[in-house]
Amino acid sequence: DIQMTQSPSSLSASVGDRVTITCRASQGITSYLNWYQQKPGKAPNLLIYTASSLQSGIPSRFSGSGSGTDFTLTISSLQPEDSATYYCQQSYSTPHTFGQGTKLEIK
Amino acid sequence: EVQLVESGGGLIQPGGSLRLSCAASGFAVSSYYMSWVRQAPGKGLEWVALVYTGGSTYIADSVKGRFTISRDNSKNTLYLQMNSLRAEDTAVYYCVRGTGPWGQGTLVTVSS
Repeated sequence: DIQMTQSPSSLSASVGDRVTITCRASQGITSYLNWYQQKPGKAPNLLIYTASSLQSGIPSRFSGSGSGTDFTLTISSLQPEDSATYYCQQSYSTPHTFGQGTKLEIK
Repeated sequence: EVQLVESGGGLIQPGGSLRLSCAASGFAVSSYYMSWVRQAPGKGLEWVALVYTGGSTYIADSVKGRFTISRDNSKNTLYLQMNSLRAEDTAVYYCVRGTGPWGQGTLVTVSS
């Protein structure tokens, strides 16, 4: 199985900050990497698919990059509503494993 | 509008069985790969099962031999049959179309 490792596990940042979350796969997954945002009590919401494609309706301050084993999710200018937990997931091979999550708090 | 509505969760004793349903609207479940993902209370996301458009199915090792994924194209519904339930299966179970959208989830609590 492919293991997905996110870092950091949590972070605190201020409104307007640039925030980067990383995700590393235990083996190459080309660009089959998705990013989700989950707010408390809600279902996850797709932000980015195939590593860098922005899902329709998602603000352009969110972006993704990477291929192979190393990926990043960047929020260019943090907003209060971005407080949430973020997960990466590989869809290259089953099981479609998730990272452990990154909890983002607004200072 | 694409919508996924899960049902069938509830309180069940260890060793019992439940069948979760995910009613889809706005698209055909046969046209996308469909998955079940669960989230134990206060924990992260865990992939559980998947059915591809061609009908191939995959089950996580943690539930293999106990859970089965299936779909009924005529009812446009995805299912998760869960047998021999354990306390560690307690979670919110989400139905997902491909990478999204996700349903609202249904809570399964396994407890005596």
